[in-house]
Amino acid sequence: KAGVTQTPRYLIKTRGQQVTLSCSPISGHRSVSWYQQTPGQGLQFLFEYFSETQRNKGNFPGRFSGRQFSNSRSEMNVSTLELGDSALYLCASSLSPGEDGYTFGSGTRLTVV
Amino acid sequence: GESVGLHLPTLSVQEGDNSIINCAYSNSASDYFIWYKQESGKGPQFIIDIRSNMDKRQGQRVTVLLNKTVKHLSLQIAATQPGDSAVYFCAENGSNDYKLSFGAGTTVTVRA
Repeated sequence: KAGVTQTPRYLIKTRGQQVTLSCSPISGHRSVSWYQQTPGQGLQFLFEYFSETQRNKGNFPGRFSGRQFSNSRSEMNVSTLELGDSALYLCASSLSPGEDGYTFGSGTRLTVV
Repeated sequence: GESVGLHLPTLSVQEGDNSIINCAYSNSASDYFIWYKQESGKGPQFIIDIRSNMDKRQGQRVTVLLNKTVKHLSLQIAATQPGDSAVYFCAENGSNDYKLSFGAGTTVTVRA
């Protein structure tokens, strides 16, 4: 059974650019959530989607956005990149949030220069 | 604010000994807890979970204890092995908020 797939694995962008990250959940999982991991702030929740609807959003500026498609695949976008956006972005999928464990992908390492 | 945190940032353990990693949480409404292991260059890997209606759950070489009275969670690893060296996170899921709140993590180093 394939796990959570995130692409790309590594990305280098320049300040002011925008970036789109992709996440394919485990087959059958309809909940997809995104987290940002940095050495200073740890793991911070970005947003969660279920059946193409955003059900919760973390405390991040509007430059961070996401969406989910009908096949449960999800993308997140960061516009007008800042140096502080450099982080590991993790996607997690779940069959039933709060009842089953969340399975994480390996993440996308974003570096903003 | 509501947060989940670990008591110690680092833990050094002799190979073969048992490890205990602690976590305190403050949200009394939390009803689902998970322990994750993260190795360098990888995403968090699910270890074991426990719901608030339980106080103990066992897996293979791991045991999670939940004390709701003092809002404390612990992970016990039996016979710690070199492959157990990693960062361990506890995470809490409040009822119907569809997100995990993570603690800061404990780095476990296993000495040969």
